[in-house]
Amino acid sequence: KAGVTQTPRYLIKTRGQQVTLSCSPISGHRSVSWYQQTPGQGLQFLFEYFSETQRNKGNFPGRFSGRQFSNSRSEMNVSTLELGDSALYLCASSGTINEQFFGPGTRLTVL
Amino acid sequence: QKEVEQNSGPLSVPEGAIASLNCTYSDRGSQSFFWYRQYSGKSPELIMFIYSNGDKEDGRFTAQLNKASQYVSLLIRDSQPSDSATYLCAVNSNYGQNFVFGPGTRLSVLP
Repeated sequence: KAGVTQTPRYLIKTRGQQVTLSCSPISGHRSVSWYQQTPGQGLQFLFEYFSETQRNKGNFPGRFSGRQFSNSRSEMNVSTLELGDSALYLCASSGTINEQFFGPGTRLTVL
Repeated sequence: QKEVEQNSGPLSVPEGAIASLNCTYSDRGSQSFFWYRQYSGKSPELIMFIYSNGDKEDGRFTAQLNKASQYVSLLIRDSQPSDSATYLCAVNSNYGQNFVFGPGTRLSVLP
């Protein structure tokens, strides 16, 4: 069974731009969660989608948004990028069991 | 604010020794507990999960949970240099997939 995939793996943007990241969960998994990981703040929860609905949301500004499609693939968008948005963005998928499985991540650098 | 705390380390143990990693959490409603291993530059990898008080063993790994003390630990027996990584404790309240991660403990196994 294929794991969680994320695209792109690396991204370089400049301040003020916007970015869209994509995540394809493990086949059959309907829950997709997004996390931001930085050296200073660790792994922080952004939001979770289940069956195309946002079920949980972390404490991030409205510049961070997401969506989920009918095939469970998910995208997250960050608008008006700031230098502090530079991070590793991780997607995790869950099935009927509670565990989360992470993708390889997208490393975003904002210049 | 739900919090998960871990000693950041580094924790250094000699090869073949037992490594003991600890985690405390603030939310008494937490229902499921996870340990992830993260190698430098990689995404977190699920090692173990535990839901009930007591011990759960899987190979060289043992997870221990004490809900009354809001404490969960991970023991690694016969530690190997390949176990050198950051170990993340995660806690879920079971409402959706709103995981809260600790800052991680860096483990170094010395040959």
